[in-house]
Amino acid sequence: DADVTQTPRNRITKTGKRIMLECSQTKGHDRMYWYRQDPGLGLRLIYYSFDVKDINKGEISDGYSVSRQAQAKFSLSLESAIPNQTALYFCATSVPGLAGNEQFFGPGTRLTVL
Amino acid sequence: DAKTTQPNSMESNEEEPVHLPCNHSTISGTDYIHWYRQLPSQGPEYVIHGLTSNVNNRMASLAIAEDRKSSTLILHRATLRDAAVYYCILSPRGGTYKYIFGTGTRLKVLA
Repeated sequence: DADVTQTPRNRITKTGKRIMLECSQTKGHDRMYWYRQDPGLGLRLIYYSFDVKDINKGEISDGYSVSRQAQAKFSLSLESAIPNQTALYFCATSVPGLAGNEQFFGPGTRLTVL
Repeated sequence: DAKTTQPNSMESNEEEPVHLPCNHSTISGTDYIHWYRQLPSQGPEYVIHGLTSNVNNRMASLAIAEDRKSSTLILHRATLRDAAVYYCILSPRGGTYKYIFGTGTRLKVLA
């Protein structure tokens, strides 16, 4: 079983809809991250959380919100989806001190906003 | 946040060594140098990281310039499974560990 799972793997939605992407991990890591990737580009950080009570904005947090329900779960919400949020979304986890903060990525969620 | 510069694409023949360069002229003294790769339709995966000295692991070697303003990821014998986008990333030691991804180098391996 995968250590970092993301649901759904693919989602098509319409402009204005609220959508939630979920991430679960069995690695026992405290740190979790949400990134988005646009075609031909690298990943950009949306939000990160160092523990259940610590949530921080990344470089592109506008239009997104997150919830850290438990150590193992970190959800990303788009309150009112818009077409330019069409992208590939990745969740990642890490633990301090391991390989210079090696991050472990999930398989990604492909989101299309029509 | 310090940035990195990599060539957009490179090609290599199978079974030959590959040297993937990365420039990071604004690196600070406490920044780690990380390399990740992203295989098609997958999330990025860790390859190697270093601070000042050259590093080796089962996947690759990392050669770091003496002034730390550049580094090179070395794949000793490229295979078709090494075809991926390779990202060179800096992250501050003891800091928030935010990764700033660039556009990476797309490596094509020719059979």
